[in-house]
Amino acid sequence: NAGVTQTPKFRVLKTGQSMTLLCAQDMNHEYMYWYRQDPGMGLRLIHYSVGEGTTAKGEVPDGYNVSRLKKQNFLLGLESAAPSQTSVYFCASSWTVSGANVLTFGAGSRLTVL
Amino acid sequence: TQLLEQSPQFLSIQEGENLTVYCNSSSVFSSLQWYRQEPGEGPVLLVTVVTGGEVKKLKRLTFQFGDARKDSSLHITAAQPGDTGLYLCAGEGYKLSFGAGTTVTVRA
Repeated sequence: NAGVTQTPKFRVLKTGQSMTLLCAQDMNHEYMYWYRQDPGMGLRLIHYSVGEGTTAKGEVPDGYNVSRLKKQNFLLGLESAAPSQTSVYFCASSWTVSGANVLTFGAGSRLTVL
Repeated sequence: TQLLEQSPQFLSIQEGENLTVYCNSSSVFSSLQWYRQEPGEGPVLLVTVVTGGEVKKLKRLTFQFGDARKDSSLHITAAQPGDTGLYLCAGEGYKLSFGAGTTVTVRA
């Protein structure tokens, strides 16, 4: 089992460029998430999906778009990158333990916007 | 402002010492989760606690959920260098909210 796989692992963009981060999970999970992690701020939810074909905004959605065309894939897009989007991005999928929704994370994608 | 406040922010101890990390909130959660993250990797789930007052032990790690379901603590006994990492707590309400984390360094 690969779990949650993110590509690319590293990327450098210039301001205004666009890119897509790819996330794939092989655990047949319904729920998937995109977070960003910045020093001192913890993990903040960008967008999430409760199933194929559905997406919803998290707490910091501005400047990002997502798509969930297939259950196993969740894509995060930046249409016009800004330096404020320099961060480490984590994709996750969730499963249930003792009634709690817990997350399995990918290894992260480090994005630098110059 | 974080919904979940973790303390301390940084902790550096010698191998063999004990440590405690705290996670506090004014909100009530249906579950409280602890994750550990190593450099260059994603967070990995350590434990989930769902009952107020619950205590769970995993080898040298002891996790406690407060009676009011607003806070939690993680205690490590006889810390080892392999315990080094970023410890994150996450509370489940209508969504999962993460604390900013405690960076633990265990010196050999």
